Amino acid sequence: GAGVSQSPSNKVTEKGKDVELRCDPISGHTALYWYRQSLGQGLEFLIYFQGNSAPDKSGLPSDRFSAERTGGSVSTLTIQRTQQEDSAVYLCASSTSLTTGELFFGEGSRLTVL
Amino acid sequence: AQKVTQAQTEISVVEKEDVTLDCVYETRDTTYYLFWYKQPPSGELVFLIRRNSFDEQNEISGRYSWNFQKSTSSFNFTITASQVVDSAVYFCALKGETSGSRLTFGEGTQLTVNP
Repeated sequence: GAGVSQSPSNKVTEKGKDVELRCDPISGHTALYWYRQSLGQGLEFLIYFQGNSAPDKSGLPSDRFSAERTGGSVSTLTIQRTQQEDSAVYLCASSTSLTTGELFFGEGSRLTVL
Repeated sequence: AQKVTQAQTEISVVEKEDVTLDCVYETRDTTYYLFWYKQPPSGELVFLIRRNSFDEQNEISGRYSWNFQKSTSSFNFTITASQVVDSAVYFCALKGETSGSRLTFGEGTQLTVNP
């Protein structure tokens, strides 16, 4: 499809395991964001990529969280040694650099840590 | 620091009623942008509107209207003649000139429109 694609849509894992969440942005969008939405909460900014610039990692909650974006397209968010408090929906969004703030979101990856 | 407050956690109305969703923001930036997004049950947030800090004109788009008032730091969203399909979580967001590219979201308002 033409929208932002995220996988897996659902992930259940055991505490202490590592997980990888994938985001495939809209073709041609240079900006890519990861947000986290916990149950009943707003969206918490995690990380932002823009073209070849250094990413803005200021929202990552701990050093267990990391993300990369290969070739300016697909991005992977990795959570190491998952904890129960990591349970949330992880949302990816992309945008063109020309449109301030109009983000196109994927449907999210729901992570449950048992 | 940027902050967005949506004091209404949940609102329930009957179809055809008008409903206003409140949004209050805080920022020290003189240039900023305000947004509303809709999150239907499918989970995918959808952009509704962007307003910059220098444009206080109210905007109407079909049954949707937005009231931006800098004097009260508010950017409220009104749905006229609500419909069941309007049921969703609505988020207000803020992007200031000093916040880089991040949007700061409020906690959202769950709107339920009952038939």
